[in-house]
Amino acid sequence: GAGVSQSPSNKVTEKGKDVELRCDPISGHTALYWYRQSLGQGLEFLIYFQGNSAPDKSGLPSDRFSAERTGGSVSTLTIQRTQQEDSAVYLCASRLRWDSRSYEQYFGPGTRLTVT
Amino acid sequence: QQQVKQSPQSLIVQKGGISIINCAYENTAFDYFPWYQQFPGKGPALLIAIRPDVSEKKEGRFTISFNKSAKQFSLHIMDSQPGDSATYFCAAREGTPLVFGKGTRLSVIA
Repeated sequence: GAGVSQSPSNKVTEKGKDVELRCDPISGHTALYWYRQSLGQGLEFLIYFQGNSAPDKSGLPSDRFSAERTGGSVSTLTIQRTQQEDSAVYLCASRLRWDSRSYEQYFGPGTRLTVT
Repeated sequence: QQQVKQSPQSLIVQKGGISIINCAYENTAFDYFPWYQQFPGKGPALLIAIRPDVSEKKEGRFTISFNKSAKQFSLHIMDSQPGDSATYFCAAREGTPLVFGKGTRLSVIA
């Protein structure tokens, strides 16, 4: 079946503009994660959605970052008033179940965000 | 602070050789240790994973060695091939999100 898809694949924006990044998880996957990958760095956790529970927002670096997941499926990560340090690859991952019986996360190809 | 420390940052191995990447952690509550492989322009893909009740896991040419007392785990790639050239990330899990190392860029040269 189809994997995790993300759009756009690349986004160039001017400093101060808002951007929206989209993630379509694998159908039936109840858990969804957003990570950020900066050049030369590992993946930094941003936010996690599990089923219908309130999301874990503990990784969001500032209040300019927010995310929502509609209908338990598609998720949108929004960055307001973008800064140059926001430039990174934003990766989405989904997981079959939110409980401990399923560990594997499946990643999308990412959205490369460049803030000029 | 960095919860999972990965080394080396980059690695060059000759075709047919053994590639070894190491990771160390402090949090004894971690209960799952995956390795991810990432090719340029792609998202990370799970390569192999281990739980702390096992000291070694092998899948084809890829082996994880896990030392619980030393809080270290490593990835061994036997008979390394040019197609293995990629960035490798170790990770660890406590609860839900994974904590990743900073990655190792592996180049396998002919």
